Amino acid sequence: DTGVSQDPRHKITKRGQNVTFRCDPISEHNRLYWYRQTLGQGPEFLTYFQNEAQLEKSRLLSDRFSAERPKGSFSTLEIQRTEQGDSAMYLCASSFLGRALTDTQYFGPGTRLTVL
Amino acid sequence: KQEVTQIPAALSVPEGENLVLNCSFTDSAIYNLQWFRQDPGKGLTSLLLIQSSQREQTSGRLNASLDKSSGRSTLYIAASQPGDSATYLCALLTGTASKLTFGTGTRLQVTL
Repeated sequence: DTGVSQDPRHKITKRGQNVTFRCDPISEHNRLYWYRQTLGQGPEFLTYFQNEAQLEKSRLLSDRFSAERPKGSFSTLEIQRTEQGDSAMYLCASSFLGRALTDTQYFGPGTRLTVL
Repeated sequence: KQEVTQIPAALSVPEGENLVLNCSFTDSAIYNLQWFRQDPGKGLTSLLLIQSSQREQTSGRLNASLDKSSGRSTLYIAASQPGDSATYLCALLTGTASKLTFGTGTRLQVTL
């Protein structure tokens, strides 16, 4: 069991640059989630996928943010024209939703983004 | 809109003490409640999950309770150890979406 992995673990970029993060979920998990966590706060939901379909997006996800999950496997989160306010930990989680009404989400180690 | 509050924001206790962390929420229509642990700069580790039909769950020295009617959950840690030092987050699954709503966490330090 390799768990949820994220790459890179740390990213430092200059304001205005584009960045892309990758998340590899636990094998055979059909749901994948992205959260953002700023210092001293709990994680906040950004978006989630069931297989390759993006089912919900938070209002936190501005037009500069885009997420994909091609073929229902790994996912990428891209931030265009980064701003200093984008500095945060970006967390990915995955789960398997079967017959049960709810699923247990397993989190990755996160990608810490610093925008200078 | 679900709002989740955790009290206290920070807590320091000597090794061996029993302690209670609190989580309160405004919308009692929840599917489940989870307690997570987060070490500095790291991701989240799930500790306990309580389904809405349950009142408590236990794992080792940890016991979590859920009272939906009062909108409260507690995480009890017995015989605390320095290795328990971390931030503890509660999170709720509500509504038709599968997103978790998190509290701001309690930062716990267990001293020798």
